[in-house]
Amino acid sequence: DTAVSQTPKYLVTQMGNDKSIKCEQNLGHDTMYWYKQDSKKFLKIMFSYNNKELIINETVPNRFSPKSPDKAHLNLHINSLELGDSAVYFCASSQELAGFDEQFFGPGTRLTVL
Amino acid sequence: RKEVEQDPGPFNVPEGATVAFNCTYSNSASQSFFWYRQDCRKEPKLLMSVYSSGNEDGRFTAQLNRASQYISLLIRDSKLSDSATYLCVVKYSSASKIIFGSGTRLSIRP
Repeated sequence: DTAVSQTPKYLVTQMGNDKSIKCEQNLGHDTMYWYKQDSKKFLKIMFSYNNKELIINETVPNRFSPKSPDKAHLNLHINSLELGDSAVYFCASSQELAGFDEQFFGPGTRLTVL
Repeated sequence: RKEVEQDPGPFNVPEGATVAFNCTYSNSASQSFFWYRQDCRKEPKLLMSVYSSGNEDGRFTAQLNRASQYISLLIRDSKLSDSATYLCVVKYSSASKIIFGSGTRLSIRP
């Protein structure tokens, strides 16, 4: 069974559209994250939720809105997509936010905005 | 200056060689340190955490130098399967910030 899963794996869409990426973890972790990895492979944290509560909210356009319906799910909705949003988006989870807890990453969603 | 900096490489070394790379961080409040490995078109995976006293896991040794604010990763007897990008990760003590370095590409040749 996949520990952290994301759907869809690939997403190709037009500028201006609204899209969502879903993430689920079956590890029983309390903390979930969204990361963006751009074309230069730089991985940057966007959001972190702990027990459905937003903990980390980096400087991200408010077109990006995370939603955590429960501890096992953290979805990412993006409004009015722009060319610069093209990237690979990774979801991750860990038991805690602090300390040496390992983060487990999903396989990524490759978003291409045309 | 970036908060976490790594030499992007690529490091191209023969199989069996020893290779080391560093990662520097700028904020002394940083508390937890890690090395993650990312294969091409795959997700990052934890390679090892980095503890104050340094730690070893098989062919891999990680060190932390708080005075000079850097962590290092040493790979001995490198294998072809070690080819990947190695990401340095720094967490701040408040746990409200997690920063990934831009990665060091390592390529092991036969």
